[in-house]
Amino acid sequence: EDKVVQSPLSLVVHEGDTVTLNCSYEVTNFRSLLWYKQEKKAPTFLFMLTSSGIEKKSGRLSSILDKKELSSILNITATQTGDSAIYLCAANTGNQFYFGTGTSLTVIP
Amino acid sequence: DAMVIQNPRYQVTQFGKPVTLSCSQTLNHNVMYWYQQKSSQAPKLLFHYYDKDFNNEADTPDNFQSRRPNTSFCFLDIRSPGLGDAAMYLCATSREPPGLTPYEQYFGPGTRLTVT
Repeated sequence: EDKVVQSPLSLVVHEGDTVTLNCSYEVTNFRSLLWYKQEKKAPTFLFMLTSSGIEKKSGRLSSILDKKELSSILNITATQTGDSAIYLCAANTGNQFYFGTGTSLTVIP
Repeated sequence: DAMVIQNPRYQVTQFGKPVTLSCSQTLNHNVMYWYQQKSSQAPKLLFHYYDKDFNNEADTPDNFQSRRPNTSFCFLDIRSPGLGDAAMYLCATSREPPGLTPYEQYFGPGTRLTVT
């Protein structure tokens, strides 16, 4: 059965902390791994990863894929209260996107 | 701006009263998806259209139907909503190129459905 697992399920940090969110996947015909940020609305796209070991970076956020370990991490440095959200990862296998249950991040001022 | 639009953003319906949610896109993407997302859960794929080809997930209840009259529009029909169907319904689109080129998925803002 195809599945995506995220950890931790929730995280509470203080502003300025660095966090690492984990995503592991077991899917057939893997194509790419996507990260989304979801506040009280639809998910917004962050990164798409297709190749192992190549870091993608956007401001304080970065992500990397490890195809050997079937996993990905999302790093957020110098967290801000605006980073509080649910972070979803999804594995793409053609027309299917398998989502994890998300990591709920709360950043305390 | 090219985007995925969902209407209405909030929908209240009565138990058993049919309801239709709509999604439109200006991205000219050939694949459109409907997801159901309940509180604290991941989005769950209900079905998707690859061009005009309808693909239903095995565990999607018969109560849920979809129509895609053209490339731009896709509708989700819930024939007899139950209390358990209250959720956020997300429409998403993607462009499926030939071969194995990966592609991104773009979400609409969602429709929050309440069943009374």
